[in-house]
Amino acid sequence: NAGVTQTPKFQVLKTGQSMTLQCAQDMNHEYMSWYRQDPGMGLRLIHYSVGAGITDQGEVPNGYNVSRSTTEDFPLRLLSAAPSQTSVYFCASSYSRQGGEQYFGPGTRLTVT
Amino acid sequence: AQSVTQLGSHVSVSEGALVLLRCNYSSSVPPYLFWYVQYPNQGLQLLLKYTSAATLVKGINGFEAEFKKSETSFHLTKPSAHMSDAAEYFCAVSEAGGTASKLTFGTGTRLQVTL
Repeated sequence: NAGVTQTPKFQVLKTGQSMTLQCAQDMNHEYMSWYRQDPGMGLRLIHYSVGAGITDQGEVPNGYNVSRSTTEDFPLRLLSAAPSQTSVYFCASSYSRQGGEQYFGPGTRLTVT
Repeated sequence: AQSVTQLGSHVSVSEGALVLLRCNYSSSVPPYLFWYVQYPNQGLQLLLKYTSAATLVKGINGFEAEFKKSETSFHLTKPSAHMSDAAEYFCAVSEAGGTASKLTFGTGTRLQVTL
């Protein structure tokens, strides 16, 4: 099993550009989520999904869109990048049950200039 | 709403010394609690988790944590630090009865191990 994979590993965008961060898992997990990590702030939840076709907002959803058309994939879209979105982005997945362990991808480091 | 407080953004210990990383949580119901470790330029890896089976939880790499409901704490310890333990450690809470697996993280503690 590859676990949780994320592409790209690094990305530089100009303000106003759009892009999609890809996330895929091969563990048949129902639950998937996106976090951003900023120095001194830990990980903050952007969006999450409890199954195909079901998504919801987390703590910091503004400026990001998600969809979940399959169990395996959960892409994160930035429609118009802003410097405040410079961060490291992590995707995670787990079985949708109480106390389920989340498995994290290796992250995407995004810089918006 | 649940929250997690990690006291001390940086902790430095000597190799062989006790490691103690503090975590306090706020939750309206008994929660599920986790400790994750992040090595430089990597994703997060689960160290251990508390899911109400036992208050003392043993994890990987010699780490353990004790759930103390009266103190709303879940501190992480290791009797003897090793150079390879240098990393950032995150405490996280998932509220029982809430959205399964939805985690709230603390701000992290960076552990430095010196010779």
